[in-house]
Amino acid sequence: QKEVEQNSGPLSVPEGAIASLNCTYSDRGSQSFFWYRQYSGKSPELIMSIYSNGDKEDGRFTAQLNKASQYVSLLIRDSQPSDSATYLCAVFRNSGYALNFGKGTSLLVTP
Amino acid sequence: EPEVTQTPSHQVTQMGQEVILRCVPISNHLYFYWYRQILGQKVEFLVSFYNNEISEKSEIFDDQFSVERPDGSNFTLKIRSTKLEDSAMYFCASDAGETQYFGPGTRLLVL
Repeated sequence: QKEVEQNSGPLSVPEGAIASLNCTYSDRGSQSFFWYRQYSGKSPELIMSIYSNGDKEDGRFTAQLNKASQYVSLLIRDSQPSDSATYLCAVFRNSGYALNFGKGTSLLVTP
Repeated sequence: EPEVTQTPSHQVTQMGQEVILRCVPISNHLYFYWYRQILGQKVEFLVSFYNNEISEKSEIFDDQFSVERPDGSNFTLKIRSTKLEDSAMYFCASDAGETQYFGPGTRLLVL
């Protein structure tokens, strides 16, 4: 079983600050990593995927992957109150494309 | 933009009854999934479906559950003899390769 661990939070940051969300995973062979955002009562929505070591930027979001440390993170720059949600880290389960999710980190951006 | 749709949005049933949850995946997608999320818990994989057969299932997906693609557009999850612990949000997802798109979910309440 490919486990994904996240701090449940809540993580509280002021509006305009950088929010840093972290995730560790158990299987060193994992190759693909995903960050989803989930608003309360809603379905997960893909923010970013990352497959290679290093940083990947998309707008205000940057995903960082360190396979040696089995660590993946998501940075949100210029955080907005609308970013307040639960952020889910996910990896592929096995040989297919089904996902194992972490429990998610709750982010609260305060005005 | 194409999206995954699910019906019904809410379903209330009595323990022991059968329920069928319906999903219409994005039309050119080939892989279909069901996940569930018990209130306050993480998103859990149930089953994946490809080329008209189950490609992977979790330990949760026991004989109580079945999936079907009865026609070219619908993808269904049947839960036989529902139990109280089946109360959860059930999400359908689809993809054409790696990026999964989730439907809005069906909230199932078993009384």
